[in-house]
Amino acid sequence: DAKTTQPNSMESNEEEPVHLPCNHSTISGTDYIHWYRQLPSQGPEYVIHGLTSNVNNRMASLAIAEDRKSSTLILHRATLRDAAVYYCIHSNTGNQFYFGTGTSLTVIP
Amino acid sequence: DTGVSQDPRHKITKRGQNVTFRCDPISEHNRLYWYRQTLGQGPEFLTYFQNEAQLEKSRLLSDRFSAERPKGSFSTLEIQRTEQGDSAMYLCASSSGQGTFGTQYFGPGTRLLVL
Repeated sequence: DAKTTQPNSMESNEEEPVHLPCNHSTISGTDYIHWYRQLPSQGPEYVIHGLTSNVNNRMASLAIAEDRKSSTLILHRATLRDAAVYYCIHSNTGNQFYFGTGTSLTVIP
Repeated sequence: DTGVSQDPRHKITKRGQNVTFRCDPISEHNRLYWYRQTLGQGPEFLTYFQNEAQLEKSRLLSDRFSAERPKGSFSTLEIQRTEQGDSAMYLCASSSGQGTFGTQYFGPGTRLLVL
């Protein structure tokens, strides 16, 4: 299994940046790193993905370590709507994703 | 693009009954996935289709579970002789499988409760 390690929970104040870490020491050279988030009673929602270079989109930024064994999802200004469980996944085939238990993010008003 | 849809959204059944769930993927997505999620856990992979071919099945998928994608469009997941341990959220996802791998787009899920 392509396992990742994430903190169980994190807190952030509203309007402040949040850095969500992930360790993926078993990643192979062709694995993409994907981040998803899941709100209660909803399916996971795609956030961002990358291979080697740091990536930015309208939702977040993804910083990938040079050895690719870890990555960090960056939410630049946390809002209450960002409160969710965040999952980090790596996959080389895109066929099956192995979700861990993710990081539950609490945003404090 | 209307997104991935699943039906029903909720299902309550008695132990021993059969249930069937439907997933309609994003149109023109050739890949379709089924996952199961229990409370407090991340989704667990069950099976994967490319077009109508079922290419991978998890060892979690017992003989009571069967999935089909007859024309490479919608898919059904059937659970026979349901057990209380089958109570979970069943999630469907689809992807185009093209370009950079392999962003999966998830539906809202079907929540199953077996009494």
